[in-house]
This record gives sequence, C-alpha cells and structure tokens, in this order.
Amino acid sequence: AAGVIQSPRHLIKEKRETATLKCYPIPRHDTVYWYQQGPGQDPQFLISFYEKMQSDKGSIPDRFSAQQFSDYHSELNMSSLELGDSALYFCASSPRGEGNTQYFGPGTRLTVL
Amino acid sequence: LAKTTQPISMDSYEGQEVNITCSHNNIATNDYITWYQQFPSQGPRFIIQGYKTKVTNEVASLFIPADRKSSTLSLPRVSLSDTAVYYCLALFYGQNFVFGPGTRLSVLP
Repeated sequence: AAGVIQSPRHLIKEKRETATLKCYPIPRHDTVYWYQQGPGQDPQFLISFYEKMQSDKGSIPDRFSAQQFSDYHSELNMSSLELGDSALYFCASSPRGEGNTQYFGPGTRLTVL
Repeated sequence: LAKTTQPISMDSYEGQEVNITCSHNNIATNDYITWYQQFPSQGPRFIIQGYKTKVTNEVASLFIPADRKSSTLSLPRVSLSDTAVYYCLALFYGQNFVFGPGTRLSVLP
C-alpha cells in the first residue's frame, strides 16, 4: 500500500541558510501534519493543513512556514536556520474526519552545522 | 492544561504480556485515543485506536474505562522486535495533537 513520502530523507545546511522539506500524503488523504522530533524527544506538532488551508498551528517558529498545494502535497519552508533546528521532521497524513489516525512518513533528518 | 502521563520505561521478557497505561485528563467527548509505536529514526506507526471499553486487533488490545481518563495498551506475548517507544495520542479541546511523553519498552530475551 502507498505510504507517505518525504523528501529529501537527509539534509545538511549551515546556520542562516534556508531549507524546504516536501511531503506527499497517501492518495485520497486530504489532511497533512508536520512534526519536529529532536534527539531523545517526543514528536512536537508544528502545523497542519486540511484541503489546502491551515487547520491547526502548534509550536512552529515564525521562521518556518508551510503550505499545502492543489495536489495535496505540502512543503515546510525553514529560513534563518539555527543549530537547534537539527531534528527529524515527520509528515503525517489522514483521511477526512479521521484526524486521530495519522500515517507517518519516514521523516527528513535535518542537520544544521 | 490537560496532559497525558505514561511510565517513562518498562522492561519485559519475551513471551510475556505487557500493559502500558496512559492517563489523559479533559479529553474531548468525541475524541479517540490512539496508540503509536516508534522505532529509532522512524516515523510513529499506528497500532490501535478506541473510544471506550475494549478494542482488539491483530497486534494489541486497548482498554478504556467508562470515565475515559485513562487507557491501557496490552501487547500479548511480546518479542524482541517489540522494543520501541509507545505513545498515546489524544485530541483535547482547544489543543493540537499532543503525544504523550512516551514509554520506552525494552524486551529482553
């Protein structure tokens, strides 16, 4: 069965650079979520989109922005990167009305040097 | 603020039944409890979901009492490959999705 696809899987950036992470949800899933997981920490919710509109906002820094496109894929844009942004970034998707059943992608490991 | 509470860690031996309890206050009336499993450097994987009483699937059972202030994930006859972090997820009124602190289960031979 198709799963959530994230790209790239690994990304290395330097401080103050920008990064763009992409997420392709499971087909026919219209809701996308972004999470950040630092080393040894729990996943922290950043932001979610439903039908291309932002639906919930969590602890997403102002330096980050995200959007969902007409094909339901989503991009997380990160600017002025800091060392503390080094983490695993997971995208999850869910079908309409099943927001508590989220299917996670393999994650993007971002390293900021 | 409402929050979830789980044991930080648990140890078990292969073949034993493992029960992990999550406490969740102020859960929304229409929301479900969902449990996830996470291996290192992988995305959380859905295990089971329930609203009340008992739910069972091919990998686990979930017990939720009538007051819904807690839930217990039951893993029958664990194996070494069940070593992972287990999270309970509950959607609260006015809150975004909040993972519990996670329980690190270690299954020993």
